Amino acid sequence: DAGVIQSPRHEVTEMGQEVTLRCKPISGHDYLFWYRQTMMRGLELLIYFNNNVPIDDSGMPEDRFSAKMPNASFSTLKIQPSEPRDSAVYFCASILGTQETQYFGPGTRLLVL
Amino acid sequence: KQEVTQIPAALSVPEGENLVLNCSFTDSAIYNLQWFRQDPGKGLTSLLLIQSSQREQTSGRLNASLDKSSGRSTLYIAASQPGDSATYLCASTGSARQLTFGSGTQLTVLP
Repeated sequence: DAGVIQSPRHEVTEMGQEVTLRCKPISGHDYLFWYRQTMMRGLELLIYFNNNVPIDDSGMPEDRFSAKMPNASFSTLKIQPSEPRDSAVYFCASILGTQETQYFGPGTRLLVL
Repeated sequence: KQEVTQIPAALSVPEGENLVLNCSFTDSAIYNLQWFRQDPGKGLTSLLLIQSSQREQTSGRLNASLDKSSGRSTLYIAASQPGDSATYLCASTGSARQLTFGSGTQLTVLP
């Protein structure tokens, strides 16, 4: 298996632009998580899905952030409009609910100028 | 709300030394406790996972312990090597498999 796949790996954009981050979980996994990592706040959970349904989005910082999971093999995290404080590394992770270990993608490094 | 704290924030040791990284958590109702390794500019790699009913797990030179009653976990690294240099993160797992991370310990092993 190729593991969790994220794209793009790097994104540089200007303030006010829309940003879309993509994630392909490991095939067969039924939980998908989006995390954000910054120097100030460390790694924090933004939202997670179970069987494509959003379960808890209390970590989403503002209405500018939205996430979808249209099918079991694809999820997006969208920021519109983006702001410089959104600059961070965004990780996607997946897990099979009957197992224990969560598998992380390589992350998307976002820089908003 | 679960809070996870790691001490120290940074640690520098000479090669060959044994070392201990500390992790504490405020809510003992955890599903499990995991230790991850993160290399600069990379993602997270799971090192050890301790079930809430277990006391410790071992993998090679790594040993992780868990004391739920005191809300503490430790990661012991034996005979450290320069290749062990990385940031080590502990994370508690909630009932829905969501992770709450500590801020990490940045380890440097000097040759």
